[in-house]
Order: sequence, then structure tokens, then C-alpha cells
Amino acid sequence: AQSVTQLGSHVSVSEGALVLLRCNYSSSVPPYLFWYVQYPNQGLQLLLKYTSAATLVKGINGFEAEFKKSETSFHLTKPSAHMSDAAEYFCAVSSPEGGYNKLIFGAGTRLAVHP
Amino acid sequence: DGGITQSPKYLFRKEGQNVTLSCEQNLNHDAMYWYRQDPGQGLRLIYYSQIVNDFQKGDIAEGYSVSREKKESFPLTVTSAQKNPTAFYLCATGNSSYEQYFGPGTRLTVT
Repeated sequence: AQSVTQLGSHVSVSEGALVLLRCNYSSSVPPYLFWYVQYPNQGLQLLLKYTSAATLVKGINGFEAEFKKSETSFHLTKPSAHMSDAAEYFCAVSSPEGGYNKLIFGAGTRLAVHP
Repeated sequence: DGGITQSPKYLFRKEGQNVTLSCEQNLNHDAMYWYRQDPGQGLRLIYYSQIVNDFQKGDIAEGYSVSREKKESFPLTVTSAQKNPTAFYLCATGNSSYEQYFGPGTRLTVT
């Protein structure tokens, strides 16, 4: 069965520092992987996705993620945090087991950015 | 202006009443989804539909019902059988690239 684990429910960084949000997945077959961002009282916005092409995926707002099959990881990074990056981030996985149509979400990581 | 509309933004109901949450899309996506979000638990799938007049239960369907009579619309009814209905409800659509796009959500409070 598929599952997603996000290490760290809260992450705090200084403005201009590296952002690293961790995501590990469990899937018996190569999955599709997604990162979403959610601002308070809003819906989720797709940041980026991995669908078995390049292992380093670039998304919106300067974020990128690297798929590492050996580590079953898909960590999200941004070289320099901005105050506007403060939000909740969700990692999600889909696989052929669910016809690729069902997403399984991690519990989320809330990112705080301080001056 | 393409997108997903959920109304209302905030909804208050008394315990024992059924309530229907609206979700409309003009993205022409075949698939639509309903999720429930509770603090610290991520999103959990309630129901999904991949085509008009067909839908499947998700992981937490008990106490909820849906219909899909039109491609554009996927309303969710929270029935009185749902034990803990207070939550943030998110509707999403899915495209052929397996991406999902989310509406702004409805925050339901039942007292």
C-alpha cells in the first residue's frame, strides 16, 4: 500500500536561508510524486511533480525536488527562503495501484520564515 | 476565468441536519474529488468520480454522499450520520496528467 511520511510537522528558517522539507514515500511500484502548498484558509496549489522523467524537478516560486529511488525520498528545497514562502506544504503520491487517480497525502509540514 | 468554485466559504449547521457543499468547475476535467482536512492529519479522500454518473468511495466515505449528474458539478452532502463533521472540505479536479487542482475550500462548523 502507498504511504507518505513528512518528517517534521514544523520547520522554521531565517529569510534567505535554505529551505529543506523532507518527504519519504512507500510504494511497491514506481510512483508519481507531488508537492503542494497551502496558504491559510485556502485550497492547495501544485508546486511540482515527478512522473518518471528527470529526477530533479523544478517547480514554481523557485522550489525544486529530487527523486531518489534508493532512499524512497522526494525532498523539497529552495536555496533562499522568502517571507512569502511561509505556508503549509504537502507531499503526495499516486501509483498504478490506485490507477494513478488517487493521491495519498502526507500530514504536512508548516514552514515559518522569520526575518 | 477558469477554475473551481466552492460555496459557501463558511457554513454553520446544527447537529442532526444534513448539509450540501457545492463544487463547480469549468476546467473540463473528467475527474473530481472531495477531501476532508483536519489539523495535523493532511487530506483524506471522501469520494471521487472519474466520469459523469459514476463515483467511488474514498477512505472515509461513511456519513457522506455525492452525486455526479453533470461534468461540471460534484456536490457533497454531509449527513447527520457523520459523527464529527466539523472540518475544512476541499474539492479538486484531475486532468489526464494525474495532476489535481483544488478549490478554495468550505469550512463547515456543526454545533
